[in-house]
Amino acid sequence: DVKVTQSSRYLVKRTGEKVFLECVQDMDHENMFWYRQDPGLGLRLIYFSYDVKMKEKGDIPEGYSVSREKKERFSLILESASTNQTSMYLCASTPRGAGNIQYFGAGTRLSVL
Amino acid sequence: AQSVTQLGSHVSVSEGALVLLRCNYSSSVPPYLFWYVQYPNQGLQLLLKYTSAATLVKGINGFEAEFKKSETSFHLTKPSAHMSDAAEYFCAVRPGITGGGNKLTFGTGTQLKVEL
Repeated sequence: DVKVTQSSRYLVKRTGEKVFLECVQDMDHENMFWYRQDPGLGLRLIYFSYDVKMKEKGDIPEGYSVSREKKERFSLILESASTNQTSMYLCASTPRGAGNIQYFGAGTRLSVL
Repeated sequence: AQSVTQLGSHVSVSEGALVLLRCNYSSSVPPYLFWYVQYPNQGLQLLLKYTSAATLVKGINGFEAEFKKSETSFHLTKPSAHMSDAAEYFCAVRPGITGGGNKLTFGTGTQLKVEL
C-alpha cells in the first residue's frame, strides 16, 4: 500500500510564526504536491515538485515556499503565518506517467491565531 | 487550461435511492478524469478514473461514471445509496498528455448526505 504521511494532524500557530508542514511518501514517487482545502473552494494547488530540488508554483503560491531535499520528503513552509492561512493542507504524491493517480495524506488542519 | 464544474455543493438522497453527482469539464486536449472521495477527517482516496479506454468506468464501492465527450461530462452514479456513502466527492481533470507532473485541477466538491 502507498503511504503518504503528514507529520501533524492538527497545528495551532500564532500570527507571524514560521511554520513547517512535513510530508513523507514511501513509494519512490517522483511527483509531490501541496494543496489547501477550504469549504466551497475545493482543493487548490500551492506548489508541486517533479524531482528532488525541483519545484513549481501552483495556483496560489503567495505566502508559501517549499523544500524537497530528498525524494521522499516534501515540506511546505509558511514564512510568516497569517490568519488567512488557516486551512486544511493536503499533501499528495504520484509516480511519473499521465494516467497515474495521486495518493493523499490524511491532511493537516492548521489554525493561525 | 482545464477546469471542472461540479453542480450542486450539497446533494441529499434517501438510503437505497440513486446517487447522481454531476461533473462537467473543460480541457483543450483530451482529458484524463478522476473522482475522489473524502470521508470526514481523512485525505482523498480514488474512486475511479478515465484515461481514454472504455467510456463507462467502474470504481470502488459500486460507483461508476460515464465519459461523454459531446456533453463534456463525467457524472458519478451509484444505483443504491448506502449510509456509508456520506462523504465529500471531488471531480478532477488533467490533460491526457505527458509532462506537467500529473497536475490535477479539482472541482469545488459535492457533499453527499444519505438519509434513512
